[in-house]
Amino acid sequence: KNQVEQSPQSLIILEGKNCTLQCNYTVSPFSNLRWYKQDTGRGPVSLTIMTFSENTKSNGRYTATLDADTKQSSLHITASQLSDSASYICVVSLQTGANNLFFGTGTRLTVIP
Amino acid sequence: DGGITQSPKYLFRKEGQNVTLSCEQNLNHDAMYWYRQDPGQGLRLIYYSQIVNDFQKGDIAEGYSVSREKKESFPLTVTSAQKNPTAFYLCASSIGQSLNQPQHFGDGTRLSIL
Repeated sequence: KNQVEQSPQSLIILEGKNCTLQCNYTVSPFSNLRWYKQDTGRGPVSLTIMTFSENTKSNGRYTATLDADTKQSSLHITASQLSDSASYICVVSLQTGANNLFFGTGTRLTVIP
Repeated sequence: DGGITQSPKYLFRKEGQNVTLSCEQNLNHDAMYWYRQDPGQGLRLIYYSQIVNDFQKGDIAEGYSVSREKKESFPLTVTSAQKNPTAFYLCASSIGQSLNQPQHFGDGTRLSIL
């Protein structure tokens, strides 16, 4: 069964600290993996997208890694800011098929001063 | 600025009533999608359209209907047959017709029951 699991479900960190969010998937055959940031009451915004051959991609203070062998991805946030408080959603897509996106339930990150 | 506009931001439905959620994009994207987001669940696909005048059911299409008469517009109607419509509805679009293409999202419509 194609699934995407994210951990932790929620996380609270102090401003300025680093954190890492996890995404494990069983989606196969794999096409790409994306991380989105969703602020409360807003739509998701794309942070990174990685294909099978890419194992790391950065977007400012956000760095995503992908291990296609173990089917794991992580999103590392460096020097967190209050504006990083949001939900982070992992999305994995199949290579084929008309309806081929699988969404994780997200990690709710709260950055406190 | 190009983007996706959803309206209204908040919507209330009475029992037995149909309501329509608007989604407009000026990105010149071919494909458009509707998702439903519930607390503690991943986004679920309701309907998608890869080209004008054509659309396909997603995983949870029952109780919903759509139309795609123009490339820019993809309205979603929540019918009275949808017994649990309270949710956050997100519209998205992508440049290509494949669901593998990165998707851009609107800011959602929150639908509640009166």
